[in-house]
Amino acid sequence: GEDVEQSLFLSVREGDSSVINCTYTDSSSTYLYWYKQEPGAGLQLLTYIFSNMDMKQDQRLTVLLNKKDKHLSLRIADTQTGDSAIYFCAERKGNSGYALNFGKGTSLLVTP
Amino acid sequence: NAGVTQTPKFRVLKTGQSMTLLCAQDMNHEYMYWYRQDPGMGLRLIHYSVGEGTTAKGEVPDGYNVSRLKKQNFLLGLESAAPSQTSVYFCASSSSGTGRTEAFFGQGTRLTVV
Repeated sequence: GEDVEQSLFLSVREGDSSVINCTYTDSSSTYLYWYKQEPGAGLQLLTYIFSNMDMKQDQRLTVLLNKKDKHLSLRIADTQTGDSAIYFCAERKGNSGYALNFGKGTSLLVTP
Repeated sequence: NAGVTQTPKFRVLKTGQSMTLLCAQDMNHEYMYWYRQDPGMGLRLIHYSVGEGTTAKGEVPDGYNVSRLKKQNFLLGLESAAPSQTSVYFCASSSSGTGRTEAFFGQGTRLTVV
């Protein structure tokens, strides 16, 4: 199937901002999601954005959506060591029972 | 709040053995999914179900079978395990397919086939 693309690694210093980028495939996707996976754990929904929005802010998280370029980004302000995890971008496809189609995940390492 | 529960959490199988992974959700969700997660590959959909008694193939269904006899349970079977099936398996459920429906994930089953 078509791929949702993400960079694989990102390293930032504590207190800096992190920006994780994603390119998705389906222009008809109505919702796009960011999931977080901590070591040894399942995935948890971090935030989402509806396709008619350009931006969504939720505390330290900002999601930007460029629908024309099918580009999604997640910005984490004031990144903390507890933010170290794998972050997955996902789109919900109309086929496959509306299963989420994930990118390969971006490993975020936050150093003191 | 149990949410989505997977059993077992860890398992080691010998090549050719069979096993069943159980996923149970207590949220009355219609949709359930099985994914596998491999290093550098993200999550890939194995099978899914849109309701009790229904199942369908996902992206990587070969070597797996599933059943959804009860709405709350979704079973993933390996009839003859192969080393290529060494992976972390995640089950997920959601209340419907459309809209801002969050998918809830279990904690995963780490399977090693030797």
